[in-house]
Amino acid sequence: SYELTQPPSVSVSPGQTARITCSGDALPKQYAYWYQQKPGQAPVLVIYKDSERPSGIPERFSGSSSGTTVTLTISGVQAEDEADYYCQSADSSGTYRWVFGGGTKLTVL
Amino acid sequence: QVTLRESGPALVKPTQTLTLTCTFSGFSLSTSGMCVSWIRQPPGKALEWLARIDWDDDKYYSTSLKTRLTISKDTSKNQVVLTMTNMDPVDTATYYCARTLVPAAKIENWFDPWGQGTLVTVSS
Repeated sequence: SYELTQPPSVSVSPGQTARITCSGDALPKQYAYWYQQKPGQAPVLVIYKDSERPSGIPERFSGSSSGTTVTLTISGVQAEDEADYYCQSADSSGTYRWVFGGGTKLTVL
Repeated sequence: QVTLRESGPALVKPTQTLTLTCTFSGFSLSTSGMCVSWIRQPPGKALEWLARIDWDDDKYYSTSLKTRLTISKDTSKNQVVLTMTNMDPVDTATYYCARTLVPAAKIENWFDPWGQGTLVTVSS
């Protein structure tokens, strides 16, 4: 079955830049989406179509794509950004299924 | 403002059938490009997409769970119902419904916003 691979954890100090990667064979052909999930809360969309930012999401959140890897970048990380981040995309087989990555815990030191 | 709310039993016994209802407002499931999906998350684990129903009544299911899942909609009530048969303790999870946007090709979708989720525990 198709998988999206994320690092389990990323740690940065406040004000630094955090980069969270997501790898998948179909990412050159399918868009990626990113969700932020804080403890006890539902996920929130922070990036859609690789690099688009929904209204209300701070400008410090950005997304990019290169080959089989997409990256969520958080510039000038703030304490409130500490959360789990999940990438999502379509199954590579074209069978109309959707998958999430395993999630990355962002720790703000 | 778009909101979704999941409802259903908090506890089910093994082998029973789970029925969850998603009640939403702020959009119509009869509008082209609008869909609703169910996604679950076992405690401490990652998200798992389960099913999607589209404005035109197309339905999609997780490959691994498709024999156990049924999704349906009542457009007049703004509700989507998910049933999962033969529940097992490994199905213990928080179940979310989410508005699913499909602006163009049906293969591309994203989930925004999500309901608050409902924790379902499977135990005898």
